[in-house]
Amino acid sequence: EAEVAQSPRYKITEKSQAVAFWCDPISGHATLYWYRQILGQGPELLVQFQDESVVDDSQLPKDRFSAERLKGVDSTLKIQPAELGDSAMYLCASGKSETQYFGPGTRLLVL
Amino acid sequence: DAKTTQPPSMDCAEGRAANLPCNHSTISGNEYVYWYRQIHSQGPQYIIHGLKNNETNEMASLIITEDRKSSTLILPHATLRDTAVYYCIVRVAVTSYDKVIFGPGTSLSVIP
Repeated sequence: EAEVAQSPRYKITEKSQAVAFWCDPISGHATLYWYRQILGQGPELLVQFQDESVVDDSQLPKDRFSAERLKGVDSTLKIQPAELGDSAMYLCASGKSETQYFGPGTRLLVL
Repeated sequence: DAKTTQPPSMDCAEGRAANLPCNHSTISGNEYVYWYRQIHSQGPQYIIHGLKNNETNEMASLIITEDRKSSTLILPHATLRDTAVYYCIVRVAVTSYDKVIFGPGTSLSVIP
């Protein structure tokens, strides 16, 4: 069964450093999402792509976060500079028609 | 704010049915009800979804009230592996541009 791939699975960084997360969606899925999940809370949508276009980035802190999906396939989420409050799980999901499928996530710890 | 409300936690005895309620009183006619679960330290896993008819698959059953203002996810024979946080969300089909909002979900503990 096809799955959403994410890397790295874990990342430890120091504040003010740059970090990047990669996501490879299920083949053929035009819609791709990045979520942030703080411990004990539900996932919070950061950005949604339809093919290579951003359709919702209203919750993305654009002063430090950026996301791209240049060829409409895989995607990268970057944080620069990282802050202590960015420690969280970053989840990628892809979907078509009615259902989203989530990857395993990248757990980020900012020291 | 999430469009749904769920109890924060529930317990269920192993082997019994787990019935997880969800209120979505402001649901629109074109919004589906989706259920996901998240086992500790993993990404959310899709379980089931429905529009207005009851649905069943190999994982669970979804019962939606006639007025569509609430629904119940049923795990017919809960096992210890079903211990997870269960999220109920409502949204139009995934190819639309409406925002997906997860609430805090229900933490289900299956007890031996």
